[in-house]
Amino acid sequence: EVQLVESGGGLVQPGRSLRLSCAASGFTFDDYAMHWVRQAPGKGLEWVSGISWNSGSIGYADSVKGRFTISRDNAKNSLYLQMNSLRAEDTALYYCAKGDYDFWSGFMNVWGKGTTVTVSS
Amino acid sequence: EIVLTQSPGTLSLSPGERATLSCRASQSVSSSYLAWYQQKPGQAPRLLIYGASSRATGIPDRFSGSGSGTDFTLTISRLEPEDFAVYYCQQYGSSPRLTFGGGTKVEIK
Repeated sequence: EVQLVESGGGLVQPGRSLRLSCAASGFTFDDYAMHWVRQAPGKGLEWVSGISWNSGSIGYADSVKGRFTISRDNAKNSLYLQMNSLRAEDTALYYCAKGDYDFWSGFMNVWGKGTTVTVSS
Repeated sequence: EIVLTQSPGTLSLSPGERATLSCRASQSVSSSYLAWYQQKPGQAPRLLIYGASSRATGIPDRFSGSGSGTDFTLTISRLEPEDFAVYYCQQYGSSPRLTFGGGTKVEIK
């Protein structure tokens, strides 16, 4: 069974950092691009970042560029999101999602259940 | 960046009725690289349609997608009770970033 399990969320003060992780199983992880998508409370979906199969190509939303860094470890079947200089508007449920092929500019065909990030003093 | 505008914001229908959801792009979506997702309360999104009209694995044939260029439609031919949810479109034809529409909520009338 294809599965994505996010972890690392929590309550953090504005300006601080947090690192999210996503553990993947049930598919050949290094064949596919991966993404982070977030959803603020009561709001719609916002794509945050995507990474190609070999980390050779990466994309970011303008809202997080320069503050967030996506990475992956194919040996550990894991995806990460390093979030620095966090703001109140980064408060959201963060989903890890599997891309449909090896480059990140695609759709997402498997989603995790998400991990909640709350930025507040 | 391509902006996707979904309409209506809320659609109030009864089970058995036909639902027609619209997704309009601010510029042409290349190669019909448009997907649709369904999200129920407390759940992660689920892929329904990709490539504007291809159903994802396991999606019932009452769901269909159509359109090209800047205008796309998701149609649910006969609403089942489990279809009442929020639906999002997403374009993936325009690097360097992906975008979602704001969503359409299909609620029971």
